Amino acid sequence: ETGVTQSPTHLIKTRGQQVTLRCSSQSGHNTVSWYQQALGQGPQFIFQYYREEENGRGNFPPRFSGLQFPNYSSELNVNALELDDSALYLCASSSYQGANYGYTFGSGTRLTVV
Amino acid sequence: QKEVEQNSGPLSVPEGAIASLNCTYSDRGSQSFFWYRQYSGKSPELIMSIYSNGDKEDGRFTAQLNKASQYVSLLIRDSQPSDSATYLCAAKRDTNAGKSTFGDGTTLTVKP
Repeated sequence: ETGVTQSPTHLIKTRGQQVTLRCSSQSGHNTVSWYQQALGQGPQFIFQYYREEENGRGNFPPRFSGLQFPNYSSELNVNALELDDSALYLCASSSYQGANYGYTFGSGTRLTVV
Repeated sequence: QKEVEQNSGPLSVPEGAIASLNCTYSDRGSQSFFWYRQYSGKSPELIMSIYSNGDKEDGRFTAQLNKASQYVSLLIRDSQPSDSATYLCAAKRDTNAGKSTFGDGTTLTVKP
């Protein structure tokens, strides 16, 4: 399997709960970016990880946090879930040295907060 | 003003026609530009990238970049019903890392 894998595909959580989303990057890619896509909108940048360090962050509160592991896989954690966190969460992998080549996206995790 | 602006559409063209999708960006430091296709309920898929002024062709797709006008476009020739999707324009500032900033997409419908 050389593509980007995300899990779970769908998730329903209650407001105030915490959630962890997971991503395995494409083979040969060492950079993982996370995006939030609300219905009818373009993906919004949450943060990027390279060499297990955060390498840029978008306009999201600290309750959005992440990790990257030595095998380049990554997690997105969201604490104190709010109704507005309901969205499609996309993991995108890329090669740091070849950033001109754009992203390979995973199939996404659809999070619903009730 | 959004950093990357696209006509929201929907854009409807007949099968076999040329579809023209437009995008403008506000950050003059943007270096790389990308077009992604997103089918309903699916994740985005990269279809074109462009970094230099001018045209870049790949099969039925042509991307055009004009940095002076801060304008990017995507032409789809001989449009097919399977091209019906939302097309996302993205701009990246740093050629080696960093985020891509996306527009909200243009929805294209190709009618048989």
